[in-house]
Amino acid sequence: DAGVTQSPTHLIKTRGQQVTLRCSPKSGHDTVSWYQQALGQGPQFIFQYYEEEERQRGNFPDRFSGHQFPNYSSELNVNALLLGDSALYLCASSRRGSDYGYTFGSGTRLTVV
Amino acid sequence: GDSVTQMEGPVTLSEEAFLTINCTYTATGYPSLFWYVQYPGEGLQLLLKATKADDKGSNKGFEATYRKETTSFHLEKGSVQVSDSAVYFCALRVGYSTLTFGKGTMLLVSP
Repeated sequence: DAGVTQSPTHLIKTRGQQVTLRCSPKSGHDTVSWYQQALGQGPQFIFQYYEEEERQRGNFPDRFSGHQFPNYSSELNVNALLLGDSALYLCASSRRGSDYGYTFGSGTRLTVV
Repeated sequence: GDSVTQMEGPVTLSEEAFLTINCTYTATGYPSLFWYVQYPGEGLQLLLKATKADDKGSNKGFEATYRKETTSFHLEKGSVQVSDSAVYFCALRVGYSTLTFGKGTMLLVSP
């Protein structure tokens, strides 16, 4: 049973560029959450998607946007990249109404230069 | 708002030593509590969880008890191994809200 799959694993972008990160949830899961983890810090919540709609959002600017597709997969888009956007981006999937457990992917390491 | 406070690391132990990592929380409702582990270069793995007061979560020799009266969920292991070296995150979730994490505690176990 495949877990959460994220792509790409590593990415280097230049300031001002745009980036799209992708996530396929664990089979049977319908909810996708995105987190940003800066070096040496805990994951910070960006937003959560369920039924193709953004349901919750953390304290991140509008440069961060997302999408969920009918097959439950999701994308995270970041526009006008800043050096401070360099981080590990984690996708977590879950099943709404279940035992509250999240399954995390291995993350995408984004470096902005 | 919801928050989690963990003891700062790194925690440095010798193999077979006893481990405690402290975690306390504040929550707007009745939370479920979790411990996640992150090995170098990897994502987070659920280690254990507890969903109500006095529940004990356990996995791979690690244990944590949900203490509502002290708002704590301390992680313990009786005998650590080198392979336990990782970063440990305490987290909570209230209802359908998202997970709120602590800053993490690095554990380094030497042979």
